[in-house]
Amino acid sequence: AQSVAQPEDQVNVAEGNPLTVKCTYSVSGNPYLFWYVQYPNRGLQFLLKYITGDNLVKGSYGFEAEFNKSQTSFHLKKPSALVSDSALYFCAVRGRNTGKLIFGQGTTLQVKP
Amino acid sequence: GAGVSQSPSNKVTEKGKDVELRCDPISGHTALYWYRQSLGQGLEFLIYFQGNSAPDKSGLPSDRFSAERTGGSVSTLTIQRTQQEDSAVYLCASSLAEGGYNEQFFGPGTRLTVL
Repeated sequence: AQSVAQPEDQVNVAEGNPLTVKCTYSVSGNPYLFWYVQYPNRGLQFLLKYITGDNLVKGSYGFEAEFNKSQTSFHLKKPSALVSDSALYFCAVRGRNTGKLIFGQGTTLQVKP
Repeated sequence: GAGVSQSPSNKVTEKGKDVELRCDPISGHTALYWYRQSLGQGLEFLIYFQGNSAPDKSGLPSDRFSAERTGGSVSTLTIQRTQQEDSAVYLCASSLAEGGYNEQFFGPGTRLTVL
């Protein structure tokens, strides 16, 4: 069965410091991997995706993610956090023969000034 | 351009009543999805429509839940005989369907409260 794990309920970082939000997945075959962000009382916004090719994927708002096949991970990163990055982040996986996204439980990112 | 829209934004109903939730996908998107977001269960897939193919209903939690998509565009999610555990935010998404790698674009959701 497909599954996604985000081991941290909350990540706290100081503004200007690098941030990492962790994600590991379990799926048969080669998956498509996604990160979404949700601001309070708003829908999910797409950040970035991994399809194939380079393991480092760049996305919106300066975020990037590194795909690691051997560790089945897809961690979200940003070199310098902003207070405005504070939000709820979801990792998701989609198998190549299915339309549905399987989401992790979400990680709340808190960036303090 | 216009994004995915959903109506109503909020719905309060009494236990046992039926409710209908509406989704207007992005124009030109042939794939449409419904998800449910609740505190206890996180984000759950409900149903997926792709063109004229039979929908993937594997995520519907019970036979009280059904959905249809008319004319390949607007979709309605219907919950019959609502229960308190149905209280959640119901999210609709759409995507281009040339490949499964296309990202899904989400609407703002409908917050359903069952009293």
